[in-house]
Amino acid sequence: SAVISQKPSRDICQRGTSLTIQCQVDSQVTMMFWYRQQPGQSLTLIATANQGSEATYESGFVIDKFPISRPNLTFSTLTVSNMSPEDSSIYLCSVPRADTQYFGPGTRLTVL
Amino acid sequence: TQLLEQSPQFLSIQEGENLTVYCNSSSVFSSLQWYRQEPGEGPVLLVTVVTGGEVKKLKRLTFQFGDARKDSSLHITAAQPGDTGLYLCAGANDMRFGAGTRLTVKP
Repeated sequence: SAVISQKPSRDICQRGTSLTIQCQVDSQVTMMFWYRQQPGQSLTLIATANQGSEATYESGFVIDKFPISRPNLTFSTLTVSNMSPEDSSIYLCSVPRADTQYFGPGTRLTVL
Repeated sequence: TQLLEQSPQFLSIQEGENLTVYCNSSSVFSSLQWYRQEPGEGPVLLVTVVTGGEVKKLKRLTFQFGDARKDSSLHITAAQPGDTGLYLCAGANDMRFGAGTRLTVKP
């Protein structure tokens, strides 16, 4: 299994500001994934973060809005920039291990 | 991108009833995974189905992979309130999820 923690667990932010979400894994992993889960909906993949290279973004997501860092094999950050109320969601990181995806508990973001 | 459709989107039943949730695609998958997500937590893997026609059982949950590996179903027997949650299917190598089925089991 994998133990994944995220910080913060929740936050309430003003529009126009930015929030950086941290994801820490208990062991080294090559790939990490960032998802968004809007209220009452499924998970949407934002980007794949590989250590040592730029993140790969899915259609509809851009680096200027969701910059990602991957400084080492156990840590990643996702920044939600210039926030608007439409960014209110749960943001989750995940890692693959042995054909299983392990997820962090999520960061619940509310933008006013 | 391989799209996954899930049905029903919402399901509310009484304790003790049976139910089936479906995951369908026009694409062939090498394998499919089912996850359950409870409020305030990330999804947790329930099962991976790999072989066309495969049936896997996990206590009261029965998972089936279609012969053509384009669809899958999850059947719950004698549902309990603890089964309440969001059920998601995903292509095992695709990292993308279906829309999910939100199940509520009333005591």
